[in-house]
Amino acid sequence: DADVTQTPRNRITKTGKRIMLECSQTKGHDRMYWYRQDPGLGLRLIYYSFDVKDINKGEISDGYSVSRQAQAKFSLSLESAIPNQTALYFCATSDPGTADYEQYFGPGTRLTVT
Amino acid sequence: SQQGEEDPQALSIQEGENATMNCSYKTSINNLQWYRQNSGRGLVHLILIRSNEREKHSGRLRVTLDTSKKSSSLLITASRAADTASYFCATQETSGSRLTFGEGTQLTVNP
Repeated sequence: DADVTQTPRNRITKTGKRIMLECSQTKGHDRMYWYRQDPGLGLRLIYYSFDVKDINKGEISDGYSVSRQAQAKFSLSLESAIPNQTALYFCATSDPGTADYEQYFGPGTRLTVT
Repeated sequence: SQQGEEDPQALSIQEGENATMNCSYKTSINNLQWYRQNSGRGLVHLILIRSNEREKHSGRLRVTLDTSKKSSSLLITASRAADTASYFCATQETSGSRLTFGEGTQLTVNP
C-alpha cells in the first residue's frame, strides 16, 4: 500500500463550490505539506504543518485553508473554487528526525474548476 | 517566487547517451535535492547533496554542487527509455526548513 495517499485523485467542480482534498500517510511523519503544480511553474508551497498544532502559510495560501486532524491526516480546502485554481495538487511528508530532509509525495489530485 | 531555475527546460537524447541538467539558485542553502516525476505522478526523491559537499554519486546519477556559483548539475549516465521524466531541483535554506522547487527539466530518452 502507498505510504502517502490522496483523495480524490481527480475532481471536476464548478466555480464557487467548496471542495476538500484529503491526504493520509502511514509513514509516521510529523511534517506534512500541500503543493500545487501548474505547467511550467514547478511546485509551489500552499501550506505546511510541522506537527498537529502547527500550521504555516506557504507562498500561495490565498484562497486555501488547511486542517491537520491528526498526525496522519492533512486536508486542503478551497472555500470558493475559481478557475485559476485548476492544477495538480500534491501532498508530501517528511521526517525531521532523519539527517536527510527528503519529502515523500502522494500521487496527486487533478482538480479542474469550470 | 521560485528559488531554482533549471536548464534546459527540455532535453531529448538517445538511449545510452548521458543527460545533464543544471539548476541555479539565489540564496545560501543547507542542501539541494533532486526529484524525479513521471508524467502526472508524484515526485520521487533521487539524491541530496549538502552545502559542504561538492559531488555525490548514486548508481547512474552524479550530482555536483558549486556554492560559489549557486549552481548544481545532475548527470544521468547511460540513459534508458525508462529515465524519461521531469527532473526538479529543490533547495533547503536551513536544516529542516521547507523546500523550494525549481521549474523542472523534461527529459525524453528515445529508444
